[in-house]
Formats: sequence, structure tokens, C-alpha cells
Amino acid sequence: EPEVTQTPSHQVTQMGQEVILRCVPISNHLYFYWYRQILGQKVEFLVSFYNNEISEKSEIFDDQFSVERPDGSNFTLKIRSTKLEDSAMYFCASSETDGRADTQYFGPGTRLTVL
Amino acid sequence: GNSVTQMEGPVTLSEEAFLTINCTYTATGYPSLFWYVQYPGEGLQLLLKATKADDKGSNKGFEATYRKETTSFHLEKGSVQVSDSAVYFCALSSKDYGQNFVFGPGTRLSVLP
Repeated sequence: EPEVTQTPSHQVTQMGQEVILRCVPISNHLYFYWYRQILGQKVEFLVSFYNNEISEKSEIFDDQFSVERPDGSNFTLKIRSTKLEDSAMYFCASSETDGRADTQYFGPGTRLTVL
Repeated sequence: GNSVTQMEGPVTLSEEAFLTINCTYTATGYPSLFWYVQYPGEGLQLLLKATKADDKGSNKGFEATYRKETTSFHLEKGSVQVSDSAVYFCALSSKDYGQNFVFGPGTRLSVLP
């Protein structure tokens, strides 16, 4: 069964450093998403991406964040200058159609630890 | 805006007990409703979904019915197993409102042998 994959599974970085989290969505899916889950808290929407541009973003997704689909398979989340409060599990998701009413399939997550 | 409320956990049950995890929602329009499960150390997996009122989603012995009149989507299972120990998230999405998926806070279930 096709699945969303994410790398790395765990990333440790120093405050102020840039990190790039990588995702490979399911191949025939057109909509891509990033969510985050701070330890012990709820899963929060960050951004959605379709047709090579951001379609929606939350208040969390400020100028420190950016997303890109650099090729036909990868979808990346970049945090330009990490802060301690960016420590969280980051989930990538994809859906075949508009995910606001369609099932989104989630990757296993990347645990980001900012020291 | 849209929101999802779940019963607070953790929930601890003995094997073969009956499970109910309550979920209620607030939404504009006609949302789709989902239950996702997160096993220890893993990502979110879709457990079941319902896209319109009175629909029943079911999978792996779990069931949930979309009740528009009570704005609820409670998760049930007749006989839980130790392997069901996980965190369960209720979620909604709606074409009529942004934010994509809105998740509840999650309910941790522990099943004891």
C-alpha cells in the first residue's frame, strides 16, 4: 500500500540553525500538508500546498517557515532560524483531492529537537 | 471557527472491555469526520471516517456514527485488545472552511491484559 515517507526520523539542531524536513508524498496525490505536534499537545495545521504554491497557512507558519516541492517527488519544510519552541513532531500529509473533505494520509513524522 | 472536543484521558481498560471515546465538534457547513490512531512511536493512521450525517465508519472492530443532531462522532469498540493501546484523535475537515484538518486533543488508551 502506498505511504507517505519522511526523513529524518529525528533531527537535533542548535537554536538559530536552519533545518529542512523532507517528505515524499504518495505519488498520485496532488495536495500536500505539514502539521506539527508539540509533545503532549494536539496536532496543529501549518500549511497546505497545491499546484506549486501555498493554498493555506496557519498563524504558526510565519516568515521563519517555508515549503517547497523541489522535484516531482519531494516536499520539504524549511525552518530558517530554529527556536526552542519549534521542538515538536512534524507530520507531512498528502491527499488525492482537496484535503479539506478528503482523507489525508500522514507520514510517520520527524521529531525535531532544538537545543 | 471549527473545533473538536474529546473526552480527557488517559483511559485505562482491561482486555475485552467495551470502549467509548466521546467526540463532539463545532463546524460551519457539513464537515467530514475522522478518527486517527497514533501507536507508540509512530505517525497518524486513519482509523475510520464518515462524510455525511448518519454515516457509520468502521474498521478493525471500531465504529463511529456521524450524528449531526448531537454534533458527535463517538468512537466505540465492543472488545478491546492490548494492541489497541494508542492515542486516538478525532478530527474534522470541511470544504466550507479553511484550516484543513482540525484535530481534537487526543485520548490516550491503555489496555491491560
